[in-house]
Amino acid sequence: SQTIHQWPATLVQPVGSPLSLECTVEGTSNPNLYWYRQAAGRGLQLLFYSIGIDQISSEVPQNLSASRPQDRQFILSSKKLLLSDSGFYLCACPGQGDYGYTFGSGTRLTVV
Amino acid sequence: QKEVEQDPGPLSVPEGAIVSLNCTYSNSAFQYFMWYRQYSRKGPELLMYTYSSGNKEDGRFTAQVDKSSKYISLFIRDSQPSDSATYLCVMTGGSARQLTFGSGTQLTVLP
Repeated sequence: SQTIHQWPATLVQPVGSPLSLECTVEGTSNPNLYWYRQAAGRGLQLLFYSIGIDQISSEVPQNLSASRPQDRQFILSSKKLLLSDSGFYLCACPGQGDYGYTFGSGTRLTVV
Repeated sequence: QKEVEQDPGPLSVPEGAIVSLNCTYSNSAFQYFMWYRQYSRKGPELLMYTYSSGNKEDGRFTAQVDKSSKYISLFIRDSQPSDSATYLCVMTGGSARQLTFGSGTQLTVLP
């Protein structure tokens, strides 16, 4: 079964600073990959999805961007963070054999 | 109106109680229904998934789907303190890209 690694687990960044969150996947090849954001008391919001290297689709307009330089690597970035970018960021890929997703352990970002 | 409505709780029950978690939805295109459990500061993990109306049982957990009423439930029997987590209902019409998440219900099982 696949495993998703995310880092860092926790991040505190000042407004206006850049961001780079990394996600790597093991146990599968050429997976669809997703970035979600989870705000307190709200459901997961799909930010980006990727069907392959350098193939990224954005679901929500924002100051974040995503890149997929390698098959099993998915990166979430920002040039200048906003307070509203605070949240819990999750990387995910479809599970095997059913419609479940495998999620990473997440990065809790606090913009101050 | 949100596509998926889920009571956010928090819900607090004594150990051994039967817990009922519920979601309603409005999109009749949803065909696959899942429940995820999310411990604090962790990513969600798939607990159960169902396709058709009816019940599906897995140990102490039972997932129930009523497509005619657009209502799904997760029952936890003999609840344990280790069941304390946030439970998310998730639905899709078939495209893995189009998962729709409930906002989650926070459950605490008291020893």
